[in-house]
Amino acid sequence: DSGVTQTPKHLITATGQRVTLRCSPRSGDLSVYWYQQSLDQGLQFLIQYYNGEERAKGNILERFSAQQFPDLHSELNLSSLELGDSALYFCASSPDPGQGSVQFFGPGTRLTVL
Amino acid sequence: AQSVTQLGSHVSVSEGALVLLRCNYSSSVPPYLFWYVQYPNQGLQLLLKYTTGATLVKGINGFEAEFKKSETSFHLTKPSAHMSDAAEYFCAVSGGGGYQKVTFGTGTKLQVIP
Repeated sequence: DSGVTQTPKHLITATGQRVTLRCSPRSGDLSVYWYQQSLDQGLQFLIQYYNGEERAKGNILERFSAQQFPDLHSELNLSSLELGDSALYFCASSPDPGQGSVQFFGPGTRLTVL
Repeated sequence: AQSVTQLGSHVSVSEGALVLLRCNYSSSVPPYLFWYVQYPNQGLQLLLKYTTGATLVKGINGFEAEFKKSETSFHLTKPSAHMSDAAEYFCAVSGGGGYQKVTFGTGTKLQVIP
C-alpha cells in the first residue's frame, strides 16, 4: 500500500459525458501527478501540481483539467469523453517537486467509455 | 530533452535464470534514473533509483541496476528469477527542466516460466 488513494476504482460511462477522478496523496506529500496508461500509448504524464499550483503539463488534452485543493487532494476532470479516453488513470504523489523525488503511485481508476 | 528506450516489450525467462531488462536513456543534463515495477491490477512502485555516486544501485526484491554513462544505459538485473517477479517493468528518467518531469519508457513485461 503506497498511501495514495484513488476513487473510484472503476468507472463506466458513455461518450460525451463528464467524469471526475479523485486522488488523495500520501500524508505529507505536497506534489501530485496524473498519468494515463493505455495499451497503445503506454504511460503518459498528464499534469503535475505542487502545493495547489500547477507545475508541469504533459500530454493533457484541452478536454481534461485538474486542480489541487488546499487539503492537497486532487481531482482530474475529463469532459466530452471519447472512446479513446478509455484507460487506466494513475495519480502519484511525492514529498516535493524535485527532480530526484520518488513518486508513489495509487492503485488507479479504470475508465471505460462506451 | 530527455527520453528512455526499453528494448523488448516482452521478456521470458525460466525460474532461477538471470533476468536482464534493458534501458537506454537520453538526457541533456545528468539524469536521475528509476526502475518501477507494476504488478497486475496495481499501480507502479519503485524498485530502485540512481542519483549520483555509486554506479551499481541495489533495489528491492534482489534487483539491481548499473549506470553506464559511456553507454547511456541503466539495465536492470536479477541473478535468479522467481515466479513472483512476473510483472511489467518501467525505466524512467528525470532531470530536464526546473521541475520534476519524469519520462517513462514503454515498459517490459517479464514472464517467468516454471
